[in-house]
Amino acid sequence: SAVISQKPSRDICQRGTSLTIQCQVDSQVTMMFWYRQQPGQSLTLIATANQGSEATYESGFVIDKFPISRPNLTFSTLTVSNMSPEDSSIYLCSVGAGGPHEQFFGPGTRLTVL
Amino acid sequence: AQTVTQSQPEMSVQEAETVTLSCTYDTSESNYYLFWYKQPPSRQMILVIRQEAYKQQNATENRFSVNFQKAAKSFSLKISDSQLGDTAMYFCAFMKTHSGGSNYKLTFGKGTLLTVNP
Repeated sequence: SAVISQKPSRDICQRGTSLTIQCQVDSQVTMMFWYRQQPGQSLTLIATANQGSEATYESGFVIDKFPISRPNLTFSTLTVSNMSPEDSSIYLCSVGAGGPHEQFFGPGTRLTVL
Repeated sequence: AQTVTQSQPEMSVQEAETVTLSCTYDTSESNYYLFWYKQPPSRQMILVIRQEAYKQQNATENRFSVNFQKAAKSFSLKISDSQLGDTAMYFCAFMKTHSGGSNYKLTFGKGTLLTVNP
């Protein structure tokens, strides 16, 4: 397994602003993933972030809205840009610590947009 | 595209008893992985158990076991000797074995909220 931390754990933001969420892992991992969990809903993959390459986005998610950085093998950031109330969700990062077929999740960031 | 269906939005069980959570999925893939994740009120997603589709033997992890029926595309989770700490949202999830490129997408069901009563 892996120990994963996220910052901030929660935030309340005004519409039109941006928030950057950090994900830190205690070991080097090739693959990191960002998921969104809207209120009362399941998790949806936003993008896959591999070190040294551009993030791969799922249908319905675009880089301009959710830019991702992956500067090294233990860290990634997800930015939620130009936020609206519809972006209020829990954002979770996960890593393929035992290989990509075994993903472990961070504690999540609860975002509320007013 | 793959879909995962959990038909039980909520369930409850008495402490020390056994409960089974249902999950069905739809895929045209022959090789894949299936997972059960647990999300307690703290919202930390915890991997409970994993099953590889090519393995006929059902996965077991302490009090947690699965009933994997590949032909029926069914993947249920049995929790034995339920404990208060098992109270959580349980998500069933699917992943293709070879997703290609850098995409190892987990597709989740909508979840089952399990409450263990004292």
